Amino acid sequence: GAGVSQTPSNKVTEKGKYVELRCDPISGHTALYWYRQSLGQGPEFLIYFQGTGAADDSGLPNDRFFAVRPEGSVSTLKIQRTERGDSAVYLCASSLTLVGNEQFFGPGTRLTVL
Amino acid sequence: DAKTTQPNSMESNEEEPVHLPCNHSTISGTDYIHWYRQLPSQGPEYVIHGLTSNVNNRMASLAIAEDRKSSTLILHRATLRDAAVYYCILSVDNFNKFYFGSGTKLNVKP
Repeated sequence: GAGVSQTPSNKVTEKGKYVELRCDPISGHTALYWYRQSLGQGPEFLIYFQGTGAADDSGLPNDRFFAVRPEGSVSTLKIQRTERGDSAVYLCASSLTLVGNEQFFGPGTRLTVL
Repeated sequence: DAKTTQPNSMESNEEEPVHLPCNHSTISGTDYIHWYRQLPSQGPEYVIHGLTSNVNNRMASLAIAEDRKSSTLILHRATLRDAAVYYCILSVDNFNKFYFGSGTKLNVKP
């Protein structure tokens, strides 16, 4: 079956603009995760959802970042007033449940803020 | 944050075994140990995970110390396709909230 997909694969924007990054998880996976990966670093946890609700958003760096998952499937990560420091690869993953299950990662969206 | 310590890089010859170490001295009783790897320009890929007992699957083996403060990922016969960054991760409070760290970059020589 299809894996986790993320769109767009690349996004270039200007400082101060608003961007949305989309994640389509594997069908039937109830848990969804967002990570951010800067060059040369490991992925950094941002937020995870169990169903429609954000179970833990403690990794979101500030209030410019927000994520939703309104129907418990597709998720959108929203970044307001982008800054150059937001440039990174944003990774999405999904798993069957939260507890002890393999996370399946998408290919990521590379965000560049000019 | 649950911390793991790994060497920055390791090198192996093709078709030889590779032992990738990880220290996690602050592990708690309910933390799972996960290993993922990331090939260039791809998202991380699951390798193996365990709680207390050693684990084997088609990709690798995971050896967990008796006190659970360290573990070793074993690739039995390294191939060129195994060249990647390997992350040892603890999941906190029985959930899959991962703290990746910087990982070990494995280079496999032909």
